[in-house]
Amino acid sequence: QVQLVQSGAEVKKPGASVKVSCKASGYTFTSYDINWVRQATGQGLEWMGWMNPNSGNTGYAQKFQGRVTMTRNTSISTAYMELSSLRSEDTAVYYCARCVAAHISTLNWFDPWGQGTLVTVSS
Amino acid sequence: DIQMTQSPSSLSASVGDRVTITCRASQSISSYLNWYQQKPGKAPKLLIYAASSLQSGVPSRFSGSGSGTDFTLTISSLQPEDFATYYCQQSYSTPSITFGQGTRLEIK
Repeated sequence: QVQLVQSGAEVKKPGASVKVSCKASGYTFTSYDINWVRQATGQGLEWMGWMNPNSGNTGYAQKFQGRVTMTRNTSISTAYMELSSLRSEDTAVYYCARCVAAHISTLNWFDPWGQGTLVTVSS
Repeated sequence: DIQMTQSPSSLSASVGDRVTITCRASQSISSYLNWYQQKPGKAPKLLIYAASSLQSGVPSRFSGSGSGTDFTLTISSLQPEDFATYYCQQSYSTPSITFGQGTRLEIK
C-alpha cells in the first residue's frame, strides 16, 4: 500500500538545524510531489513547501524562505526537510504528504500523509 | 494569499446527528477544495477532494458540496469514530496552498 514513513522525534537547541526524512513506498516516488506541513501543539496546519522528486524543484512558503531546504534521494525513495536557525516557535509536529493530481485538470490533494515527526526546540 | 475561514470553530453534537461544517474562501477557488479529518495524535486523513468527491474507503455518510467561495462538509449521521477535528484546504493557488483553522467536533 502507499505509505510515507517519517524519521523519529528530535530535540534541538535554539539556533540548531533539524533534518526530517520521509520514506515513500508502494508507488513510484518520482511521480508525485511531496509537500511538508507542520502543526504546533493544539494549533492548525501550516503549509511549508513542496518538492518535485523527479526534478528536485522546490517552492517554499514565504515564512520559511531562507530557513528551509527540501531535498530527496531517489535511489532510496526518500524526501528530506531541513529547517535551520531553530527557535522555540518551531516546536511542532512536521508532516510530509504526497500530492495527488487529477488526470485532466490541475485539481490536487494530499494523500497519504506521513505519521508525523515531533521536533522540540528547547535550551 | 487565499484565506480559508471555517465555521464553527468548535461544535458539540450527539451520535446520530446531522452535522454541517462550512468553509469560506477569500476569493473564488472553483472546486479546488479538499477536506481532511484529524484525530488526536494522528496525521490528517483525506475525506473529500475536489469539493465533492469522496475518497476511496471513506464512509458514504460524509459528503461535500460547494464551489466558488462557499463550501460545506456534511456528516449525515454522526458515529462515535467521527469525533475529530476537520480541516478544509484550498489547492487553487498551488503550489502555495492554505488550510482553514479547523473545526473541532466534540461529543455532546
